[in-house]
Amino acid sequence: GAVVSQHPSWVICKSGTSVKIECRSLDFQATTMFWYRQFPKQSLMLMATSNEGSKATYEQGVEKDKFLINHASLTLSTLTVTSAHPEDSSFYICSARRQTTEKLFFGSGTQLSVL
Amino acid sequence: DAKTTQPPSMDCAEGRAANLPCNHSTISGNEYVYWYRQIHSQGPQYIIHGLKNNETNEMASLIITEDRKSSTLILPHATLRDTAVYYCIVRVAGNTGGFKTIFGAGTRLFVKA
Repeated sequence: GAVVSQHPSWVICKSGTSVKIECRSLDFQATTMFWYRQFPKQSLMLMATSNEGSKATYEQGVEKDKFLINHASLTLSTLTVTSAHPEDSSFYICSARRQTTEKLFFGSGTQLSVL
Repeated sequence: DAKTTQPPSMDCAEGRAANLPCNHSTISGNEYVYWYRQIHSQGPQYIIHGLKNNETNEMASLIITEDRKSSTLILPHATLRDTAVYYCIVRVAGNTGGFKTIFGAGTRLFVKA
């Protein structure tokens, strides 16, 4: 099946620094990717929709200046958590839709811990 | 908002069928029912989807009621590795405006030996 690669799988950073998370669709092109965050024992919360070649669409309550999304190619979207704080510690998951199917494929997630 | 209702948790004996219900009483005519599962600390995994006919694949079967207001995911022979959170989602297929996948709380399935 289709593969979505997410990197890094975990990261620890100091408060105030920025962290970049990459999401790649390895064997298909994805004009649209999605970013989610998940707190322990909670469901996935959609943060934003990443559109190749255009600005991302953010969900209500998600700060676009804090969570920068870039979708520069059909196989790569990045999420940058700027000036990270401990409350940004979470599990971040990306997904990509394969255009020839109606399935979403998910990355393995990135566990971010901000000290 | 999620448009589905699922029981928060279920138990199933290993080797038995696991039947996971989902209510989606406000589903529209062009919305599909999707099922994903998430094993702890991993990204969700696609299981199956359908519109109105029952569907079966190598992982599971999906039974959708005639009025489409509810569905059941069936894992025919549950194993310990099927322990996960199962999410039932409804959404419009295709690249239409407003295309999103919104997750509800899901059902936490415990498969016990």
